[in-house]
Amino acid sequence: DTEVTQTPKHLVMGMTNKKSLKCEQHMGHRAMYWYKQKAKKPPELMFVYSYEKLSINESVPSRFSPECPNSSLLNLHLHALQPEDSALYLCASSPRDRMFGRASYEQYFGPGTRLTVT
Amino acid sequence: KNEVEQSPQNLTAQEGEFITINCSYSVGISALHWLQQHPGGGIVSLFMLSSGKKKHGRLIATINIQEKHSSLHITASHPRDSAVYICAAPRSGGSNYKLTFGKGTLLTVNP
Repeated sequence: DTEVTQTPKHLVMGMTNKKSLKCEQHMGHRAMYWYKQKAKKPPELMFVYSYEKLSINESVPSRFSPECPNSSLLNLHLHALQPEDSALYLCASSPRDRMFGRASYEQYFGPGTRLTVT
Repeated sequence: KNEVEQSPQNLTAQEGEFITINCSYSVGISALHWLQQHPGGGIVSLFMLSSGKKKHGRLIATINIQEKHSSLHITASHPRDSAVYICAAPRSGGSNYKLTFGKGTLLTVNP
């Protein structure tokens, strides 16, 4: 299995809803990432998990709550979002660099979840 | 000046033409990603390279580490190649690497 999967593909939610995005990989990668991409813009890093621990939080509002329950799964819990949070949410993962023992610079991207907040 | 610069921003070609997209970077380690994104779609990683040249089908990527420059070539272009092509330079962010993305090149291949 050489892919990153994301569910759902599309999500429409109201500003008072609570929903979750899911990302899964079975490549044995121990670093996983959440990105947000607005239309016609490059992706923006949100969170990085390394060995199931939160490694980087790019000052993301608390209405986005990441979770890494195991080495294959990464969730993004959403609560009280705003319409401007509508975007494509991308997940990625990295293998371990065998020489340096840290995450490799290679990133494998999932297809994304297109989120619309109404 | 952006840390990762791509050119051109937009490119229109006729089917069958040879395409070149360029990327210059001033940050990061000596490696580069080339990514593809179809309209409304997710991101597909095309190449990750740290030296020389890689080829996959009709796609060829080259990198010159000394000049911090990379090119993506598409031979015998086809309308299905129409997409945004993004280069991204990894740079160290503690125990992980962060990607600095270029703004992308929108390629349209007409039949």
